Amino acid sequence: DTAVSQTPKYLVTQMGNDKSIKCEQNLGHDTMYWYKQDSKKFLKIMFSYNNKELIINETVPNRFSPKSPDKAHLNLHINSLELGDSAVYFCASSPDLKAGVYEQYFGPGTRLTVT
Amino acid sequence: AQSVSQHNHHVILSEAASLELGCNYSYGGTVNLFWYVQYPGQHLQLLLKYFSGDPLVKGIKGFEAEFIKSKFSFNLRKPSVQWSDTAEYFCAVNANTDKLIFGTGTRLQVFP
Repeated sequence: DTAVSQTPKYLVTQMGNDKSIKCEQNLGHDTMYWYKQDSKKFLKIMFSYNNKELIINETVPNRFSPKSPDKAHLNLHINSLELGDSAVYFCASSPDLKAGVYEQYFGPGTRLTVT
Repeated sequence: AQSVSQHNHHVILSEAASLELGCNYSYGGTVNLFWYVQYPGQHLQLLLKYFSGDPLVKGIKGFEAEFIKSKFSFNLRKPSVQWSDTAEYFCAVNANTDKLIFGTGTRLQVFP
């Protein structure tokens, strides 16, 4: 059983388009995250949600809008895609807000390529 | 601001060699420390973590890490690597906030 799943796995699109990435976790966790991993493998947090409430919003352009319809899902919508958005996006979840206490479980990643 | 440094960007070893990957962080207070591994084409998985107690932490697959508070370090070690250890290794730190700060990763290549 997949604990944290993401769709799609690969996404190739043109500049200016709008796209969404979906994430679902079946672990019963309260907290979910979105991370961006750039071409140099640097992993940086973008957002975190706890029970559908936005907790962390790093300095991410307004074109990125997370949405959590329920605590098992955290989707990422990106408007007006730019070349610099090309990266691997990882969803993760943990039992609780306290990032330092609980292990984070990562999804398989979505490789976004903007042409 | 908190930061995590992994000075070894790329490490190449032969099987059975010993491994030590460096991790240093910048935060003077209480920290929780993690090592994650990302095998080729896969997602990140937890190798080991340190919260308190014995500074020598043992993780999965024969890995261990030692927390040295005076050096702000949490180096990862394995006495004898295998080809299957080829992966990207990430150190991460949490210091009383709601987020993990990841290092830039170390790419390990093990040749048979």
